[in-house]
Amino acid sequence: SQTIHQWPATLVQPVGSPLSLECTVEGTSNPNLYWYRQAAGRGLQLLFYSVGIGQISSEVPQNLSASRPQDRQFILSSKKLLLSDSGFYLCAWSVLHNYGYTFGSGTRLTVV
Amino acid sequence: AQTVTQSQPEMSVQEAETVTLSCTYDTSESDYYLFWYKQPPSRQMILVIRQEAYKQQNATENRFSVNFQKAAKSFSLKISDSQLGDAAMYFCAYNRDDKIIFGKGTRLHILP
Repeated sequence: SQTIHQWPATLVQPVGSPLSLECTVEGTSNPNLYWYRQAAGRGLQLLFYSVGIGQISSEVPQNLSASRPQDRQFILSSKKLLLSDSGFYLCAWSVLHNYGYTFGSGTRLTVV
Repeated sequence: AQTVTQSQPEMSVQEAETVTLSCTYDTSESDYYLFWYKQPPSRQMILVIRQEAYKQQNATENRFSVNFQKAAKSFSLKISDSQLGDAAMYFCAYNRDDKIIFGKGTRLHILP
């Protein structure tokens, strides 16, 4: 069966520090992968998506970047975190987009 | 650009009653997909129901059903026999090609 792993679950980082959030998918090949951010009390904002290794599309200009070094691995990074980067980050995957996404359990990031 | 609008930030319903959550969307496409996702306090995103735009028949999943009005670009979710476990944020979402766009959500409270 397909599963998605996202870690860490919670993270507290100082302003200006780097960030690396990892997401891996099991049980499927060549998935589409997505990073979303959910600010407190708000909806989901699409940050990045990838349809294949090394292929990254950015939806919102920001302090973050994404990489896909392997077929089932998707990494969200920052060189220097800002206070505004705080939020709940969700990774998701799909194979057939018309069937919707399967989401990871999320990472709560607090930048202090 | 595609947008999804949920005009009800919060709603309450008595346990065992029926509630309808509203959603409108904007698109110039004719072939697309619509979804309702549930986000309980655990913050795990759960797919509740999906609708294919080319199908006129409204989707149903147990106590959850939709009222899909393509011409009006409306996609409401009806929850029958509301249960305490239905308390959550509900997100309406639109999908075409490789991306899903979410509304800002409706927080549903279930009153015992």
